[in-house]
Amino acid sequence: TQLLEQSPQFLSIQEGENLTVYCNSSSVFSSLQWYRQEPGEGPVLLVTVVTGGEVKKLKRLTFQFGDARKDSSLHITAAQPGDTGLYLCAGVDSNYQLIWGAGTKLIIKP
Amino acid sequence: KAGVTQTPRYLIKTRGQQVTLSCSPISGHRSVSWYQQTPGQGLQFLFEYFSETQRNKGNFPGRFSGRQFSNSRSEMNVSTLELGDSALYLCASRTGSFSPLHFGNGTRLTVT
Repeated sequence: TQLLEQSPQFLSIQEGENLTVYCNSSSVFSSLQWYRQEPGEGPVLLVTVVTGGEVKKLKRLTFQFGDARKDSSLHITAAQPGDTGLYLCAGVDSNYQLIWGAGTKLIIKP
Repeated sequence: KAGVTQTPRYLIKTRGQQVTLSCSPISGHRSVSWYQQTPGQGLQFLFEYFSETQRNKGNFPGRFSGRQFSNSRSEMNVSTLELGDSALYLCASRTGSFSPLHFGNGTRLTVT
């Protein structure tokens, strides 16, 4: 059974701080997707990383795919209250199935 | 372009009853997936339909079933409801296997 371990499960920090969320697996993924879900809504895709070692930036969010395509990280610089939400990572396996992490609930306090 | 639409948004049912949830995908999307989301278990895959055929199925009991119509709209049915079925049920559509998912806002099911 493929697993994607996401950490931390919960993070509460002050506005302006930096943070990193991790997704780790022993399996290789063809790509990895990051989603953000706000209360009362469905998850929304933030980014897809495909190539090992790839780094993508979305304003203050930096996404990295591990060289071996088994892990990924999301780094937020100078977090803002608008970044509050549930962050989910999902790896795409060789059968094009999505393997989901359990999510990181992020709260940014003003 | 309209997003994924799920109806109803909220539903309260009693143990033993059955329920049907509806999902209208983004126009042109032929794949529809269903997920169950609970605080303790996270996002759990139920099944995926593509062009009216179930393509993949998660590890859920037979009480959970679904179907897809020729216009790509999908329904999910849960029979003999149990308290543990209380959850947010999310529908997502995509154009194909390589594409990311577009989620609806879900149906919040409460079983009492």
